[in-house]
Amino acid sequence: RKEVEQDPGPFNVPEGATVAFNCTYSNSASQSFFWYRQDCRKEPKLLMSVYSSGNEDGRFTAQLNRASQYISLLIRDSKLSDSATYLCVVNGDNFNKFYFGSGTKLNVKP
Amino acid sequence: EAQVTQNPRYLITVTGKKLTVTCSQNMNHEYMSWYRQDPGLGLRQIYYSMNVEVTDKGDVPEGYKVSRKEKRNFPLILESPSPNQTSLYFCASSVSQGGGYEQYFGPGTRLTVT
Repeated sequence: RKEVEQDPGPFNVPEGATVAFNCTYSNSASQSFFWYRQDCRKEPKLLMSVYSSGNEDGRFTAQLNRASQYISLLIRDSKLSDSATYLCVVNGDNFNKFYFGSGTKLNVKP
Repeated sequence: EAQVTQNPRYLITVTGKKLTVTCSQNMNHEYMSWYRQDPGLGLRQIYYSMNVEVTDKGDVPEGYKVSRKEKRNFPLILESPSPNQTSLYFCASSVSQGGGYEQYFGPGTRLTVT
């Protein structure tokens, strides 16, 4: 079983739509959770960390559900510039090891 | 400008010819890591380093070596490259070990082994 699993998509949505991604992780001892964004085989860049209480940054909201072992990312009012691949990242019980999902591709269309 | 640099950016080589991919960061970060990215598999961690002279294996260390003699540099060494090591490689650094910090990634090195 993979440590982190994501729906690969693609998610094709119109501008202004709300879209949500989920990511499940297998290690209940994981403590750190992140969403990264990756544009067309460029380097990943941090979008947001995910905290137990949930957190919001502008149009982006991240949530953690420890009981069901998943994290989610909600994007409101999608922009063309949001088109990218979104990577879910979780650390292992060795906190220095990181596991990446294979990414969910988002295409925002005019 | 805070950054992680990798060299070379592109490399085509032949099976068995030793190569080194360099990684350097100017942010005085303690933690550095190497990943490879393959289609459908996401990024997989090869090795990481918590500080100078402290390294450990990630998920896919076979066929790779690393060293951390200085804080800023973390080279990845392929002693005898094979075609299954053809991949996109990323180096990353983070302010500290412990897992809770943002990782900053280099621009990537696209390696082809024929």
